[in-house]
Amino acid sequence: DIVMTQAPLSVSVTPGESASISCRSSKSLLHSNGITYVYWYLQKPGKSPQLLIYRMSNLASGVPDRFSGSGSETDFTLKISRVEAEDVGIYYCGQLLENPYTFGAGTKLELK
Amino acid sequence: QVNLLQSGAALVKPGASVKLSCKASGYTFTDYYIHWVKQSHGKSLEWIGYINPNSGYTNYNEKFKSKATLTVDKSTNTAYMELSRLTSEDSATYYCTRVTIAAMRNWGQGTLVTVSS
Repeated sequence: DIVMTQAPLSVSVTPGESASISCRSSKSLLHSNGITYVYWYLQKPGKSPQLLIYRMSNLASGVPDRFSGSGSETDFTLKISRVEAEDVGIYYCGQLLENPYTFGAGTKLELK
Repeated sequence: QVNLLQSGAALVKPGASVKLSCKASGYTFTDYYIHWVKQSHGKSLEWIGYINPNSGYTNYNEKFKSKATLTVDKSTNTAYMELSRLTSEDSATYYCTRVTIAAMRNWGQGTLVTVSS
């Protein structure tokens, strides 16, 4: 199975500042078609996960452009610019390259 | 708009089975795969498997092959997941999610399953 390792496990951010979350996969997520099958989700307290970023760097519909995704074949970053109160929750990276599809352990974002 | 409405919380006894539902609306049900994801309390997400609502083709995580059975009813735009031989390890929230352009784009509200005697 592809292991997704996130860091840090928790981050505390002052509103208006930026935050970065890292995710590393145990295998390249770059398909031969040129697409990198890594995703970012946010699970707000008591809610279902919601898609933020798909295929490494594409912003999902309705997601503020304060969120951005980048990376290489095995190392990925979610950056949140100008953190707001509504960004609080647990962020997960995930891969949809091969069965079984797997997720990271999650990074909890809190406000200072 | 796209909506996935899942069945309510279930309390089931060890050894029993439970069938969860996920009713889709706001799009053509047969055009998109439905995936199921498990989240144990305070834990991360585990992918269980997916079903093609048009053909009924299924693909499972090996870990859940003997635990979960995915089906659909095209007449009611509803996907189902049956969990069998339940133990305390199966107590969790289960989500259905619609995949489009290879992304889990829409999620149900989740169904909490509690296994207890």
